[in-house]
Amino acid sequence: NAGVTQTPKFRILKIGQSMTLQCTQDMNHNYMYWYRQDPGMGLKLIYYSVGAGITDKGEVPNGYNVSRSTTEDFPLRLELAAPSQTSVYFCASRPEQGPIYGYTFGSGTRLTVV
Amino acid sequence: AQKVTQAQTEISVVEKEDVTLDCVYETRDTTYYLFWYKQPPSGELVFLIRRNSFDEQNEISGRYSWNFQKSTSSFNFTITASQVVDSAVYFCALSEVYSGAGSYQLTFGKGTKLSVIP
Repeated sequence: NAGVTQTPKFRILKIGQSMTLQCTQDMNHNYMYWYRQDPGMGLKLIYYSVGAGITDKGEVPNGYNVSRSTTEDFPLRLELAAPSQTSVYFCASRPEQGPIYGYTFGSGTRLTVV
Repeated sequence: AQKVTQAQTEISVVEKEDVTLDCVYETRDTTYYLFWYKQPPSGELVFLIRRNSFDEQNEISGRYSWNFQKSTSSFNFTITASQVVDSAVYFCALSEVYSGAGSYQLTFGKGTKLSVIP
């Protein structure tokens, strides 16, 4: 039972480069989320999806894009990396039935933009 | 809008001491869920507990206990007889059921870094 899988675990980008953070879950969860965690801060929501083909912005969406073509995958795209995007990124998913069933988090991607 | 405040940024205790981590939340919903997560130095998020707004019964699980009080909008977490392995960042989080445009997102506090000194 893999749960939520994030790749890569670590990445160093140069300013202006682009990359995609991958997130896959095998639990058939409709709801998926991308959070970022800055040092000394809690997690902030970047984007979320309530099902395949449906995405919406969270609290800090600028500089990011997402897509949800399948239930399993929810990639996060950085188009023009900036130092302010240096952070740890977490993907999460949960069943449609609501918070009572809890959220499953991936192990995170540590991104450094230099 | 929902908000979670963890006023304690860092706490240090000597091993075997008890420690309480404070969490205060704000929400306009009458139905919501509260969570505690642990983030050890390895970085992953470990789920500890979930509580719904209709269940104010306090809970004890081994050395962990939680005190949920709706009257003060608090959901505090106590570790009894702390151990070095408890050293981590602890996050309190809130999920509203009816608000948040249906996202059911988790709103996190900034976390409390607990250091247990041997």
